[in-house]
Amino acid sequence: EPEVTQTPSHQVTQMGQEVILRCVPISNHLYFYWYRQILGQKVEFLVSFYNNEISEKSEIFDDQFSVERPDGSNFTLKIRSTKLEDSAMYFCASSPMENQPQHFGDGTRLSIL
Amino acid sequence: GNSVTQMEGPVTLSEEAFLTINCTYTATGYPSLFWYVQYPGEGLQLLLKATKADDKGSNKGFEATYRKETTSFHLEKGSVQVSDSAVYFCALIKAAGNKLTFGGGTRVLVKP
Repeated sequence: EPEVTQTPSHQVTQMGQEVILRCVPISNHLYFYWYRQILGQKVEFLVSFYNNEISEKSEIFDDQFSVERPDGSNFTLKIRSTKLEDSAMYFCASSPMENQPQHFGDGTRLSIL
Repeated sequence: GNSVTQMEGPVTLSEEAFLTINCTYTATGYPSLFWYVQYPGEGLQLLLKATKADDKGSNKGFEATYRKETTSFHLEKGSVQVSDSAVYFCALIKAAGNKLTFGGGTRVLVKP
């Protein structure tokens, strides 16, 4: 069964550094998402992406965050200048259409030191 | 705004016991409702879904019925196994939307 893959599984970065989290969505899916889960808290929506542009974003997704689909397969989340509070598990997801079940990757644990 | 509330865990059960995890939601219109499961060390997996009132989603022995009148989507399983130990998340997508809103998750531990 096709699946969403995320790399790396764990990323450790110094505060203030840029970090890029990578995702390969399921190949025939058109909608892509990033969520995050701070330890002990809810899974929170960050951003959705369709047709090479952001379709919706949350208040968390400020100017420090950006997403990109640099080629036909990868979907990336960039944090420009990381803060301690960015430490979380970041999940990528994809769906074939809007309002369809989303398929999640195993997540990238981001630790900011 | 939209929100999902689910019972706090952990829920500890013996094998073959009956499991219920309560989930209620607040949303305008008719959202789609989902249960996701997260096994230790893994990502979120879709367990089941329901897209309209009175729909019943089912998978792997789990069931949940979309109750519009009580704005609920409680998860049930008649006889749990040790392998069902995981964190379960209730979630919704609003009508014509694409953002999942999650509940806080309920950790379930099944003991042999």
